[in-house]
Amino acid sequence: KAGVTQTPRYLIKTRGQQVTLSCSPISGHRSVSWYQQTPGQGLQFLFEYFSETQRNKGNFPGRFSGRQFSNSRSEMNVSTLELGDSALYLCASSSGLNTGELFFGEGSRLTVL
Amino acid sequence: DAKTTQPTSMDCAEGRAANLPCNHSTISGNEYVYWYRQIHSQGPQYIIHGLKNNETNEMASLIITEDRKSSTLILPHATLRDTAVYYCIVRLANTGNQFYFGTGTSLTVIP
Repeated sequence: KAGVTQTPRYLIKTRGQQVTLSCSPISGHRSVSWYQQTPGQGLQFLFEYFSETQRNKGNFPGRFSGRQFSNSRSEMNVSTLELGDSALYLCASSSGLNTGELFFGEGSRLTVL
Repeated sequence: DAKTTQPTSMDCAEGRAANLPCNHSTISGNEYVYWYRQIHSQGPQYIIHGLKNNETNEMASLIITEDRKSSTLILPHATLRDTAVYYCIVRLANTGNQFYFGTGTSLTVIP
């Protein structure tokens, strides 16, 4: 079956703009998690959604938000972009809330100029 | 979640077993040990996890010491495609799918 699909794969924005990233999980998976990866901080958990509800949230400012739709697809939004938001944003899906087995997409690479 | 300590980097000859250690001396009784790996420019990939007993699947084996303070991931016959960063993560069950990935071990498989 198809894997986790993230769009867009690459994008460039300028400071102050906002960005929306999309994630389509594996068919039948109801949990979607988002992670940010940077060379300095490594992989950091942003938030997790299950059945359209945010279940867990990492230590990121309110500029980072997300949502999940009834078909389990998820979007994350970053407003008022800063240079430090340049990163690879990874989405992971899982069949359940506590399975521990995540299936990651290839990520969306955001560059903020 | 308990903190883990892994070597920064390791090399392994192609075809030989790769043994990746992980220390988690503060692990609690209901925390699981998970291993993921990340091949360059890809998202992380789940490998294996365990609680107390040793585990084996088609990718690897996980050996957990009796006191559970350390574990070893074994790739029985390393190939060049196993070159990746390997993350050892200790995590409570029933805490959602929130993982703290740390810095991991960069494994290089040498031809």
